[in-house]
Formats: sequence, C-alpha cells, structure tokens
Amino acid sequence: DSGVTQTPKHLITATGQRVTLRCSPRSGDLSVYWYQQSLDQGLQFLIQYYNGEERAKGNILERFSAQQFPDLHSELNLSSLELGDSALYFCASSPRTGKNTGELFFGEGSRLTVL
Amino acid sequence: GQQLNQSPQSMFIQEGEDVSMNCTSSSIFNTWLWYKQEPGEGPVLLIALYKAGELTSNGRLTAQFGITRKDSFLNISASIPSDVGIYFCAGPRPTSGTYKYIFGTGTRLKVLA
Repeated sequence: DSGVTQTPKHLITATGQRVTLRCSPRSGDLSVYWYQQSLDQGLQFLIQYYNGEERAKGNILERFSAQQFPDLHSELNLSSLELGDSALYFCASSPRTGKNTGELFFGEGSRLTVL
Repeated sequence: GQQLNQSPQSMFIQEGEDVSMNCTSSSIFNTWLWYKQEPGEGPVLLIALYKAGELTSNGRLTAQFGITRKDSFLNISASIPSDVGIYFCAGPRPTSGTYKYIFGTGTRLKVLA
C-alpha cells in the first residue's frame, strides 16, 4: 500500500459526459501528480499541484482540469469525454523533505472506460 | 517530452533465470527510481538510489546507481512467474522546490514457467 488513495477504481461512462477522479496523497506529501496511461503505453504526465497551486503542466487537454484543495486532496475533471479518453489515470504524490525525498508514490489508478 | 532509454524493451525468460535491464540518460541524475507495474495496477516503487556507485537490494532485486550518474541497472535473480510486469526507471529533477519526473520507456518482462 503506497498510501495514495484514488477513487473510483473503475468508471464507465458515455461520450460527451463529464467525470471527476479523486486522489488523496500520502500523509504529509504536498505534491500531487496526475498521469494518463492508455493501453500498453507509457505514463503521460498531465499536471502537478504543490500545496494547492498548479506547478507544472504536461500534455493535458483543455477539456481536462484539476485542482488541489486545502486538505491536499486533488480532483481531476474530465469533460466532453471521447472514446480516446479511455485509459488508466494515476495520481502520485512525493515528499519534498525527509526520508523519502524525491521518491514518487502512485495510487492504484482509476480505470475510465468511455463508450 | 524527455524520456530515459531502457533496454531491453522486452524479455521472455525461463523461470529461475536471472534478469538484467538498464536505464540510460544523456544527462546526470542524482536519484534513480525503479518501479514495477503489473497489468491494470499502479507502478510500485521497488528501489530508490541516491548515490553514485550505490548498490541496493530488495529481496531478489538489486539495483545500481552508475558511477557516471547517467545510468542505472536492475537485476532480478532466480525469476519467478510473479515477476511478470513492466519495469520502469525514473529520475526526479528538482525544480522550483519540487520535482519533475522523467520516466524510462519500460522493460516488459515475461516469465515462462
């Protein structure tokens, strides 16, 4: 158990719909990263938040948005869904200081299926 | 974006064999991370390396931080069927007080019983 919690684990929805994926980072970790992984592909970095502020943006579509709340949990919002958005979405967190500085811990992922 | 080069891309081995894979970069890293990802699951951190030349073990897994700081190696001894998965290396780059992570292309391992 990495300590990073993601919900829901599975989600099936239709094209054009909107979904929200939720992530709780490891206790004490201020950074949250979101990644997308399509079938048999590598991890594509979407966006990073640090202590509530957006820190870095990767290949995130305009239809996607995210935020990190004061309690440090994060949500990834995916709207106007298309078939190609079907993928595993991972959240990860990393500590900035302490024993595991620099290490990145992943959640178990949310599998999104768009029909 | 930038990626680390991993080789081999895939391996089919017999149970009981040893496995070696590596990860190389054109630039220096101060930390190397090795992950295993099983189908449909999140990547699990196996080993973290912090010092050039460091050799660290985790059970049957041993990883080394290359002396040049531009490469790292992962060895699995006496492979078993549950070693199947994709192994990723990653390097964190400090940036503005946090980290940007660069990932390897992955080595896909299949173990034949």
